[in-house]
Formats: sequence, C-alpha cells, structure tokens
Amino acid sequence: QVQLQESGPGLVKPSETLSLTCTVSGGSISSYYWNWIRQPPGKGLEWIGYIYYSGSTNYNPSLKSRVNISVDTSKNQFSLKLSSVTAADTAVYYCARDLRYSSRGMDVWGQGTTVTVSS
Amino acid sequence: SYVLTQPPSVSVAPGQTARMTCGGNNIGRKSVHWYQQKAGRAPVLVVYDDSVRPSGIPERFSGSASGNTATLTISRVEAGDEADYYCQVWDDGGDHRVFGGGTKLTVL
Repeated sequence: QVQLQESGPGLVKPSETLSLTCTVSGGSISSYYWNWIRQPPGKGLEWIGYIYYSGSTNYNPSLKSRVNISVDTSKNQFSLKLSSVTAADTAVYYCARDLRYSSRGMDVWGQGTTVTVSS
Repeated sequence: SYVLTQPPSVSVAPGQTARMTCGGNNIGRKSVHWYQQKAGRAPVLVVYDDSVRPSGIPERFSGSASGNTATLTISRVEAGDEADYYCQVWDDGGDHRVFGGGTKLTVL
C-alpha cells in the first residue's frame, strides 16, 4: 500500500521561500506523476504542478514564475519550492500521484501539511 | 485554460439521491474524476474516468458525463456522505490538472 507523507516548516515569513517534501513509502516513485495541490482555508483545491519520476515538470500557469518541483529517486522523495510567498499562499499543501494524462485520477494522497505565511 | 464549474451546495435528505454536476466545455470528451473531502481530511478518489469506482468505494457512488456536463450521483444518501465533492480533469491544452470549485453536500 503506497503512502505519501508531506513534511516541512509550518510557518514561513513573507517574501521567503516555502519548501516542502513528500516521501513515498510502500512503493516506487517510478512510472508515476507526482503532484502538489494546495487548499487555502475555507476554499477549494488548486493544482500547483507535477513532476514525472524522470524529472520532467509542468506547473500551474498562475504560479509558474514562483514554483520549482524536484525529485530525488534515491530517497523516493519529491519536493516543492514556492518563492516570494505572501499571506495568499497560506494553505494546506497536499501531494498526490497520478498517471500520464491524469488517467485514473489521483488515487493516493498525503494527509496534507498546513503552511502559514506570517511574520 | 480549461474551467470547471460546480454548484456551491447541494442538500438532500437521508435515503434520497444526490446529484452533483460539473460543467465544462465538451467535458464529455474528457475523463472526469471525482473526489470526496470530509472536514479536516485529505481528498479521496470516489470515481475516475467518468464512471469507474475504485476498490472500496460503495456502489451507491456513480458517475456519468456527456456534452458539457458531468454528474456524480450518490444513491441512498447517508449522513456519512456529507462532504465537499470536487471534479477534476486533464487539460490537454497545457498538460495541466484542473479542479472544479467544489460542491458541499449537506445531508438534511
């Protein structure tokens, strides 16, 4: 049973860089697309971007200038960096997996981690 | 970019049928996925590729898509079905994943 676990600081200062890691356990990081999704308090889900295990990425155009997603296959981990954060980036951040063309949907999700942007 | 539109809320009495829609341009030509999110929890996939239920999801959950509308149907609604429901598709225009705004299902 594949499980995902997000980790990283729960508090980030405005203008700094948010950094999170998702650890994949119980299975290989190969052959899947690994996504980051966020949910501001009281709002809906927003797709941030994905990384394929080979390293190719794609980002939400609204966040593209500030986002970088990377993968470390040796550790079965992938990471999110979001730069120049503001209060609007306060959200629960989830990692989830899917397949090419998002076929079969996002079938495994992490439990989510809350990140607050505040001085 | 591709836009998905969901009604903010749907209410239904226990035992009745809940239908939640997801609108998008020619959505019937895409594969639509549905997620259930209970308060304080991560989303759970309940239907994928328009109408397929993952293992462990009750048969009461079903989906369909045609034209500009996809629908998630929950039969014999139970109190435990109260949650937010999100539709999601793959936007081939940019190889992006897109979520609808979500519908809050209230069981009266």
